Amino acid sequence: GAGVSQSPSNKVTEKGKDVELRCDPISGHTALYWYRQSLGQGLEFLIYFQGNSAPDKSGLPSDRFSAERTGGSVSTLTIQRTQQEDSAVYLCASSLDPTSRTQYFGPGTRLLVL
Amino acid sequence: GDSVTQMEGPVTLSEEAFLTINCTYTATGYPSLFWYVQYPGEGLQLLLKATKADDKGSNKGFEATYRKETTSFHLEKGSVQVSDSAVYFCALSPTGTASKLTFGTGTRLQVTL
Repeated sequence: GAGVSQSPSNKVTEKGKDVELRCDPISGHTALYWYRQSLGQGLEFLIYFQGNSAPDKSGLPSDRFSAERTGGSVSTLTIQRTQQEDSAVYLCASSLDPTSRTQYFGPGTRLLVL
Repeated sequence: GDSVTQMEGPVTLSEEAFLTINCTYTATGYPSLFWYVQYPGEGLQLLLKATKADDKGSNKGFEATYRKETTSFHLEKGSVQVSDSAVYFCALSPTGTASKLTFGTGTRLQVTL
């Protein structure tokens, strides 16, 4: 079956602009995660969704970052007023349910803020 | 808090050499442990996992054993191939209900002919 998909695959934006990144999890997966992969910080957790609610937002680096999930499926990560330090690869992962420890990752969105 | 430490890379090996990438962790209770692999230009793929002490995860010739006494989950392969060249990440998921993965910094493996 289809894996986790993310769009766009690449995004170049100017400092100060808002961006939206999209994640389509594997069908039937109720848990969804966002991570960020950057040269200086490695792989960092951002936020976790169970269904449409986010019980763990502890990794969001600032209030410029927000995320939502609708219909228990698609999720959007929004970064407002982008900064150069936001440049990174944003990864989405999903798992079958909260008890499943195996997360399946999408290909990522590479964000470059000029 | 939870943390994962893995050996610095890059690791450069000749084809058919033996591979070990060390990984140790700090966590309370009994976390689940994972190795993920990232091939050039691709996303993260689960390579293997172990969910309790003394479990051995294996896949594609790679193995790792969950050692509670040494808090380790070292990755091994008896004979590497050029196609194994990638970045390898050790990760843990804590005890309890679903939660974030905590990753190590990654180890780049380069296999040459």
